[in-house]
Amino acid sequence: GEDVEQSLFLSVREGDSSVINCTYTDSSSTYLYWYKQEPGAGLQLLTYIFSNMDMKQDQRLTVLLNKKDKHLSLRIADTQTGDSAIYFCAESIRGTYKYIFGTGTRLKVLA
Amino acid sequence: SAVISQKPSRDICQRGTSLTIQCQVDSQVTMMFWYRQQPGQSLTLIATANQGSEATYESGFVIDKFPISRPNLTFSTLTVSNMSPEDSSIYLCSVEGADGETQYFGPGTRLLVL
Repeated sequence: GEDVEQSLFLSVREGDSSVINCTYTDSSSTYLYWYKQEPGAGLQLLTYIFSNMDMKQDQRLTVLLNKKDKHLSLRIADTQTGDSAIYFCAESIRGTYKYIFGTGTRLKVLA
Repeated sequence: SAVISQKPSRDICQRGTSLTIQCQVDSQVTMMFWYRQQPGQSLTLIATANQGSEATYESGFVIDKFPISRPNLTFSTLTVSNMSPEDSSIYLCSVEGADGETQYFGPGTRLLVL
């Protein structure tokens, strides 16, 4: 079945780059997404990538997709304390409206 | 992106009671979705709600426990019925974006069942 996995925790120093990784199993996914959840809040869509693309850049965010290895990553450049949150990757399942979410990576940015 | 609000934002309820959660969108949307996020867990889709038709439930979720209404293109409700402590979760609604490629989420309803 479909499964999306992420490492649980990541800690970085302010100003460094953060790289959050995600692996998925469903090769028929159409889009892959990164969402951010701050404490006590809902999910904020950060960026997404079409499954036939390798890379997408949006300001401080860079998404890399390795479709062969079913590996997705989110790089945050110049990480700030305001980036501390839980980051979820998700894939959309082709032919459905269903999203499969990863377990979430808790990013802690140290001042 | 759509602006989505949910009511209530949080609640503490007694075992055996029911709670209805409202989701309001600032624009007309065809597809609305309800998710559950159990403590420390990821999101699980409960059901998909189309206006004018019955909701489609995912495996493990049933209409008797989670009845859903979708009376128009900007509003939906999810009821958590006959609650038990295991229902303590964050319940989030989401809507399909106008581009058909994305989903946008509401702020969530934090439910604690005692």
